[in-house]
Amino acid sequence: QVQLVESGGGLVKPGGSLRLSCAASGFTFSDYYMSWIRQAPGKGLEWVSYISSSGSTIYYADSVKGRFTISRDNAKNSLYLQMNSLRAEDTAVYYCARAPVTTADFDYWGQGTLVTVSS
Amino acid sequence: QSALTQPASVSGSPGQSITISCTGTSSDVGGYNYVSWYQQHPGKAPKLMIYEVSNRPSGVPDRFSGSKSGNTASLTISGLQAEDEADYYCSSYTSSSTYVFGTGTKVTVL
Repeated sequence: QVQLVESGGGLVKPGGSLRLSCAASGFTFSDYYMSWIRQAPGKGLEWVSYISSSGSTIYYADSVKGRFTISRDNAKNSLYLQMNSLRAEDTAVYYCARAPVTTADFDYWGQGTLVTVSS
Repeated sequence: QSALTQPASVSGSPGQSITISCTGTSSDVGGYNYVSWYQQHPGKAPKLMIYEVSNRPSGVPDRFSGSKSGNTASLTISGLQAEDEADYYCSSYTSSSTYVFGTGTKVTVL
């Protein structure tokens, strides 16, 4: 069965950096686009970024462009999100999700990892 | 990219039908048949309920249905059940090759 497990969240000071990871299993990881989606406490969902199956195509939300970098290692079945210059408004649960390019949706989600940006 | 507009809350009694709207623009909802809907129970990850406007993934009850007219998509839950009480979000692909989510709707079963 499809499984996505995020890790790497935690408490970081404003201006700091953090790297999130998402370990995928139960499907051929290299065949799928992947995405990061976040949810601030008590708020709605916000799409953050996606990466194509080969890693050659990447898009970001304007709110994170220039600060966050998405990447993947198909040999390790892993997705990453490098977050730099973190701000208080980046505080959220970060989910990784499988994003089939043919249907443009998010069909499987991880359980999420909490990132808290606070001094 | 502004969030798609959803009503903050919708309620209904068991067995009734409710509809949640999701309004965007011609650059997202109106421009593509790539509207999806997600159910989220408290403390849980979202779950895909509808994709490509009106398709249900395997395992989603057929009381959930989706449609679209112009720049507005809709999710209808027929025969409302207690376990349907949750937050619901729509999402659309956009002309900028990005995605946008709706503001979210809290469904209450009375």
